[in-house]
Amino acid sequence: QKEVEQDPGPLSVPEGAIVSLNCTYSNSAFQYFMWYRQYSRKGPELLMYTYSSGNKEDGRFTAQVDKSSKYISLFIRDSQPSDSATYLCAMRRTGFQKLVFGTGTRLLVSP
Amino acid sequence: DTAVSQTPKYLVTQMGNDKSIKCEQNLGHDTMYWYKQDSKKFLKIMFSYNNKELIINETVPNRFSPKSPDKAHLNLHINSLELGDSAVYFCASSQEQGNTEAFFGQGTRLTVV
Repeated sequence: QKEVEQDPGPLSVPEGAIVSLNCTYSNSAFQYFMWYRQYSRKGPELLMYTYSSGNKEDGRFTAQVDKSSKYISLFIRDSQPSDSATYLCAMRRTGFQKLVFGTGTRLLVSP
Repeated sequence: DTAVSQTPKYLVTQMGNDKSIKCEQNLGHDTMYWYKQDSKKFLKIMFSYNNKELIINETVPNRFSPKSPDKAHLNLHINSLELGDSAVYFCASSQEQGNTEAFFGQGTRLTVV
């Protein structure tokens, strides 16, 4: 079993939909949680990061962490075709540099 | 200006050859990384260097040897290339040890034939 599980998709939604992307994890020591967006043939770019449990909002993006359930989510409101990409969750323990990634969910937003 | 730049972007080579990938960051970061992304998009850390010192070596075969001449550069040399080495290799850097925000390069797509 992988430390971080993520549905690979693809997830297809119409423009304007609310998108929910999720990851589950098994290591309760993870404290820092990140979402990266990766366009085709590009490197991952950091979208959101949160520490421990709670919510964080940035524009159309909201990240949620539920440590009790070992579950993290990324919500995208008013999705746009330009949001079409692979979304990777990542996490790490305090004091450790190593990021552990999920396999990524491919999102397709159709006009 | 590109923050983390890798060369080459594409690399096609035969089995058994030796090749190098170069990485440079102009962000003034202390820590640099090499990640490997397989055909299923799974991204896994290979190495981490902090101020030219090896911090993480994730059970990578000895054929892979990172070299950091200074904290702005982290190169990856691969000996005796195998078909299974085909993947996209990403260099990344972050501000300080343990910092959450890692900036990634555009990747080097290695194909071993």
